[in-house]
Amino acid sequence: GQQVMQIPQYQHVQEGEDFTTYCNSSTTLSNIQWYKQRPGGHPVFLIQLVKSGEVKKQKRLTFQFGEAKKNSSLHITATQTTDVGTYFCAGNRRNSGGSNYKLTFGKGTLLTVNP
Amino acid sequence: KAGVTQTPRYLIKTRGQQVTLSCSPISGHRSVSWYQQTPGQGLQFLFEYFSETQRNKGNFPGRFSGRQFSNSRSEMNVSTLELGDSALYLCASSLASLAGVETQYFGPGTRLLVL
Repeated sequence: GQQVMQIPQYQHVQEGEDFTTYCNSSTTLSNIQWYKQRPGGHPVFLIQLVKSGEVKKQKRLTFQFGEAKKNSSLHITATQTTDVGTYFCAGNRRNSGGSNYKLTFGKGTLLTVNP
Repeated sequence: KAGVTQTPRYLIKTRGQQVTLSCSPISGHRSVSWYQQTPGQGLQFLFEYFSETQRNKGNFPGRFSGRQFSNSRSEMNVSTLELGDSALYLCASSLASLAGVETQYFGPGTRLLVL
C-alpha cells in the first residue's frame, strides 16, 4: 500500500535556528497537506499543496511540493518556542479503485526548541 | 461554528471489554474519519465514513468497527479490548468532495487506557 515517510523523527534546535522536515511518498500524490500538533493537543491543518513544484509561505513557514508530486518539505526560519510540536504531512491520492481518495499521514517530526 | 466534539474524553477499560466512542462533526461536514494515535506508530487511519457509508478503511482487525448516522455523527466500536489498544482516538471531519479528501478538522480525541 501507499507509504508516506517523514524524516527526521525528532529535531531539537536552539531558538533562532532553522528547521526542516521532509516527506516522501512511494506513489504520486494528488495533493499534500501539512498539520501541526502541539503537545497535548490535536492536529491542526496548516496548508495544502496541489500543483507540481508549488511553494507556499506562511510567515516564517515555507512549504514545497516536489516536481514529481512525490515529496514535500516544510521549512521554518528562525524558530521560536511557539513552533514546538509535531508536524505531520499527509498525502492524498486516489485509491486503487479510482473512485475516491485516501489520505495517508506520515509519522510526524517532533520539534523541540531550546529558548 | 462549533468544532468537532468527541465523547468521552477519557476512558479506562479492562482487557476483553468493548468500548464505543462518539464523534460529532462540524455542521455541514459529511465525511468523518477515525485515527488511532500512539507514540510509536503515529497517526494511523482506521476508516472514513461519508453519507453513512464506509468509504475507506485502514489496516486494522475486525474488532474495530464504525458507523455513521444520517446526521453525520459517527461512532466507532472496539470489541474484545487488548492492552495494545490503549491510544488516543481522534475523529476528523471534512466537507469531502470528488476533488479529494479535504482539510481534516480534528476533534480533541478520546484517550483510552486498557488495563
